[in-house]
Amino acid sequence: DAGVIQSPRHEVTEMGQEVTLRCKPISGHDYLFWYRQTMMQGLELLVYFNNKAVMDDSGMPKDRFSAKMPNASFSTLKIQPSEPRDSAVYFCASSATGTGHSYEQYFGPGTRLTVT
Amino acid sequence: AQSVTQLGSHVSVSEGALVLLRCNYSSSVPPYLFWYVQYPNQGLQLLLKYTSAATLVKGINGFEAEFKKSETSFHLTKPSAHMSDAAEYFCAVSVYSSASKIIFGSGTRLSIRP
Repeated sequence: DAGVIQSPRHEVTEMGQEVTLRCKPISGHDYLFWYRQTMMQGLELLVYFNNKAVMDDSGMPKDRFSAKMPNASFSTLKIQPSEPRDSAVYFCASSATGTGHSYEQYFGPGTRLTVT
Repeated sequence: AQSVTQLGSHVSVSEGALVLLRCNYSSSVPPYLFWYVQYPNQGLQLLLKYTSAATLVKGINGFEAEFKKSETSFHLTKPSAHMSDAAEYFCAVSVYSSASKIIFGSGTRLSIRP
């Protein structure tokens, strides 16, 4: 399997612009997670899905962030409008549940976002 | 609620020396426990996991961890450090109410001295 795929790997944008981050989870995984990593805050869970439905988005700033999972193999995280404080590395991860699985998450390579 | 504490944000050891990274967890029920490693400019990679089977868990790259219920600890060790082990290490615990959700520690940066 190719693992979790994220695009773009790097994004530089100006404050106020819309940014869309994309993720393709591992085939067959039923959970998908979006994290943000910064030096100050460490690794933060923004939102996660189970079978395409949002399970918990309490870590996501709702005024400017939105997350969608239109199908089992694709998810987006959108920031509109972007602000300099959104500069971070955004990770997508997926996991499988059920018999034989033990909930470990598999991470993508991340998208490094810089908002100027 | 589950939580995990990593003792020491930065650990430095000499090449060939023992590596010990400390992790303590809090959980009212038997947890699943994980160690992840993050190399520079990469995502997190699973090193090893404890899922209530053997208390001594062996992972990749020569790392192992021991689950000690009495001490609520899950420390990560490697007998002999290699320069390539320099990275950030995260301990994590699963959340009982939603086992798919994992709580990560703040991380420990491991440096290796030549």
